[in-house]
This record gives sequence, structure tokens and C-alpha cells, in this order.
Amino acid sequence: KNEVEQSPQNLTAQEGEFITINCSYSVGISALHWLQQHPGGGIVSLFMLSSGKKKHGRLIATINIQEKHSSLHITASHPRDSAVYICAVVNYGGSQGNLIFGKGTKLSVKP
Amino acid sequence: NAGVTQTPKFRILKIGQSMTLQCAQDMNHNYMYWYRQDPGMGLKLIYYSVGAGITDKGEVPNGYNVSRSTTEDFPLRLELAAPSQTSVYFCASSYSMIAGNNQPQHFGDGTRLSIL
Repeated sequence: KNEVEQSPQNLTAQEGEFITINCSYSVGISALHWLQQHPGGGIVSLFMLSSGKKKHGRLIATINIQEKHSSLHITASHPRDSAVYICAVVNYGGSQGNLIFGKGTKLSVKP
Repeated sequence: NAGVTQTPKFRILKIGQSMTLQCAQDMNHNYMYWYRQDPGMGLKLIYYSVGAGITDKGEVPNGYNVSRSTTEDFPLRLELAAPSQTSVYFCASSYSMIAGNNQPQHFGDGTRLSIL
């Protein structure tokens, strides 16, 4: 079983829909990252959080440390949100470079 | 606003050839990383560095070598290219990764490498 599981693997939505992507992890963590990988391949860090909730524009990320679960929400989705969204956790007590990545959720937003 | 720059963007190698993937960052970040991304898989850490002169193995280091002679540069070397090394390679950097003081990682645009 992977230490970081994302669901769904693929998601197709209509423009304007509210989208939720889930991330569950099985290790102790000090932080969790949400990343966006554009169709061209570039990767951008969206959020880094260790508790609670963060909001940036139409994106909202939440984390429940006790349940080892995080969600990424996109409100009023738009075709430009089409990308792969990747969850990654910083393994608490692990080596300095120890980010564990999920396999990603491929989101396609149709106009 | 260069950030993390990777070269080349694409490369095709023959089995047994060697090459160096270049990575440079201009943000004065201490930490640098090399990842590989295979289809349908999460990114895997190959090597990382916590500062000039210091490198350490990640999850999948076999077949690769790195060096960190300066803060800015972190090249990844493939000595004897094998088909299993066909992948997309990403370099990243961050200010620090100390527990309790986590910083986001900044990624390069990737190098798509095919070994034939």
C-alpha cells in the first residue's frame, strides 16, 4: 500500500463545478504539500500546510492531522484548472529530503 | 525571475552513453533535489543536497551521481544509460526542509530523457 494515496485518479468536470481532490497518508508528517503539474510538465507549489486550512483565490486546502487526510477544493472551476494535482507529505523524522508523493489526480475541466 | 533552470529539455541517448543533466537556481536556496517521474507513478527522489559540498542518496539513487560544488548548481550524471532510466527528471530547490520550518519547493520545467 502506498504511503500517500490520492483519489480520484482521474476527474472530469464541467466549467463552474466545485471540485474536491482527496489525499490520505499513513505516515507521521510535519507538513503536506499540494502541487500542480501543468499539461506542459512544469510543477508549481500551490500550498504547504501543517494544520487547518489555507485559501488562495479559488483554491482551498484543508488538512486533518488526526485523520491523516487532506483535501484540495477548487471553486468555480475553469478549463485553465486542467492539470495534474499532486499531494506530497514531509515524513516527520525522516531525512531532510524525504518528500513522499502521491501519484496525482488528473483533472480535466470542460467548457 | 529565472528560479530553477534545467537543461536540456529533451534528450535521446543510446544505451551505455553518459550525460549530465544540468540544474541551476538563483534563489540562494540551500536545499536542492533531483526527482524522476515515471508514467502513472509519483515522483521519486534520486539525490538531494543540503548545501554546497553535501549530498545524500534518496529513494532511487542507483545509476546516478551528483555533485554540489556551488550553492547554485546541482548536476545529475548518468554514467551508463539504461532503458530503465527513461523518465522525466525534475530538479527542485528550497530554502530549508527542517521539520517545523518547512519551505515550499521550487521546480524546474523538467528534462524528458529517452534511452534507446
